[in-house]
Amino acid sequence: GENVEQHPSTLSVQEGDSAVIKCTYSDSASNYFPWYKQELGKGPQLIIDIRSNVGEKKDQRIAVTLNKTAKHFSLHITETQPEDSAVYFCAAILNTGGFKTIFGAGTRLFVKA
Amino acid sequence: DVKVTQSSRYLVKRTGEKVFLECVQDMDHENMFWYRQDPGLGLRLIYFSYDVKMKEKGDIPEGYSVSREKKERFSLILESASTNQTSMYLCASSRPGGETQYFGPGTRLLVL
Repeated sequence: GENVEQHPSTLSVQEGDSAVIKCTYSDSASNYFPWYKQELGKGPQLIIDIRSNVGEKKDQRIAVTLNKTAKHFSLHITETQPEDSAVYFCAAILNTGGFKTIFGAGTRLFVKA
Repeated sequence: DVKVTQSSRYLVKRTGEKVFLECVQDMDHENMFWYRQDPGLGLRLIYFSYDVKMKEKGDIPEGYSVSREKKERFSLILESASTNQTSMYLCASSRPGGETQYFGPGTRLLVL
């Protein structure tokens, strides 16, 4: 079955710097890759996603890249702010009905002011 | 606005007790999910349901059962709680075939 590995598990950056979180997946048939942000005391919330027919997607300060050949995808946050501090999860979905989402283990991001 | 609510934010139970975790969504979503979140392990799927009275096992169903009597409500049941079920439990919902899942705030369960 699908397996998603996420690195690093913890990331600390200075405010204003960039942060990069990387994930690899095992099933080449996976075709949808969402990223979720979980703030303290809340459930995960979708922040950006990318489909397998796209190499890059950007939304203001966050961007996601996908390399299908290498089976890895990354989240990039530029000009980090303290409110970016959270746990980030990558995920991979094999869209055979949208039921099975495989999540990475999560990255705890600290943005120091 | 999409909303998923869970009946308790924190719960303390004793080993052997039967535990009910309730989840309600107001988006008229067909799909509902129960996950368990543990440090270093991410989110692991316990059970999901794609319709009323329908349920499917996820990756870690042992020791759990579920009930979906109404579309908006999905209950997770720990038949006989054990200390290794101490965890954060997250409920989510989505549209049929929808890839985006909407999560509740979670229930942190401690089993003594």
